Amino acid sequence: DTEVTQTPKHLVMGMTNKKSLKCEQHMGHRAMYWYKQKAKKPPELMFVYSYEKLSINESVPSRFSPECPNSSLLNLHLHALQPEDSALYLCASSQEPPTSRGLRPLHFGNGTRLTVT
Amino acid sequence: GENVEQHPSTLSVQEGDSAVIKCTYSDSASNYFPWYKQELGKRPQLIIDIRSNVGEKKDQRIAVTLNKTAKHFSLHITETQPEDSAVYFCAASQNNNDMRFGAGTRLTVKP
Repeated sequence: DTEVTQTPKHLVMGMTNKKSLKCEQHMGHRAMYWYKQKAKKPPELMFVYSYEKLSINESVPSRFSPECPNSSLLNLHLHALQPEDSALYLCASSQEPPTSRGLRPLHFGNGTRLTVT
Repeated sequence: GENVEQHPSTLSVQEGDSAVIKCTYSDSASNYFPWYKQELGKRPQLIIDIRSNVGEKKDQRIAVTLNKTAKHFSLHITETQPEDSAVYFCAASQNNNDMRFGAGTRLTVKP
């Protein structure tokens, strides 16, 4: 069982569609992330929210728009995507500040497998 | 920014043997080094992590060693089992805003 819940599990959308990915955690973590993972590749950081404020945008195209409504929720709004955006989108959270020993592991959700047609 | 290199890209071992995966990092300011295991079609899961003020950490069959001077760290799995088969990713960061993953190692444990 994962403590970070992502919906939907699968999503197929056309290039003109607008859709949203959702992520929820109830571990009290104040840092949340969106990662993109292509097949046989490592996760790539897209966005970081710390205390509900966007702190990092890794030069992601504007067709991806993140939103953090509260400390438990993270959304990723999608619009006018390209076929090359097809990937597994992973949400993650971590304790902020780090643990007393300075450890800050990421807790990943199961991801949304996105296919853009 | 941080650059993490991971070797080998694939590793095949016989059940019961040990497996070693090595990573190097470029940013001397990095101080946190986690390892994630990702089974096919599943999410990455943390298996062990270490901070730069610690040289070695062990958890049952899994251990990680860190050489801060040489900027490299390694994952050691002893007495491998078929269920250890997965892709393993190392990562390095100064804070989670800049965590970079290695390219991954596909480990196959043959029964």
